[in-house]
Amino acid sequence: SQQGEEDPQALSIQEGENATMNCSYKTSINNLQWYRQNSGRGLVHLILIRSNEREKHSGRLRVTLDTSKKSSSLLITASRAADTASYFCAIRGGSNYKLTFGKGTLLTVNP
Amino acid sequence: ETGVTQTPRHLVMGMTNKKSLKCEQHLGHNAMYWYKQSAKKPLELMFVYNFKEQTENNSVPSRFSPECPNSSHLFLHLHTLQPEDSALYLCASSQGPTTSTGELFFGEGSRLTVL
Repeated sequence: SQQGEEDPQALSIQEGENATMNCSYKTSINNLQWYRQNSGRGLVHLILIRSNEREKHSGRLRVTLDTSKKSSSLLITASRAADTASYFCAIRGGSNYKLTFGKGTLLTVNP
Repeated sequence: ETGVTQTPRHLVMGMTNKKSLKCEQHLGHNAMYWYKQSAKKPLELMFVYNFKEQTENNSVPSRFSPECPNSSHLFLHLHTLQPEDSALYLCASSQGPTTSTGELFFGEGSRLTVL
């Protein structure tokens, strides 16, 4: 399956702490994307990392990609209560334009 | 209006009703998508349209009928649904399904409840 699988399913931290979420997949990829979804709302694109990249930063977000281990991680530094949301990784396959999503990690940041 | 707009945001319908979900994008994109999001399950891709032509039907039951009159508008016509069809239906758009990045822009979703 091309679907990414996020780990953990749920994460609860205190404001100011860092949050790390992981995504594993099984096939070759063109790129891997992370999205955020507030409860009952649409998904918002956060960051994209291509298969030939190892690390990308965007504000308080840091994404790494290890294609040999077929895994990616999303780090949110200095978390805020407003970061509370579900985070999804999405895989764009090497030979397939479709974007497939995992089940997501529910992050709760407590004030 | 900017981005991707979905209407209605909430819909309750009986199993014998006919209703439609509407999606409009103001981003100048060529590709539009319908996804289904059910609790505890990954997002399921339902349909893909590229330049108004359907390029993907992910084995979706015929009680869901998509329509794409132009690159900016996408509809999902609903007929004789089942209670298990209750879900959040998300519309998305992208520059094109075969672009190198495939970044999607989502609407806020239509929460469907089938009684």
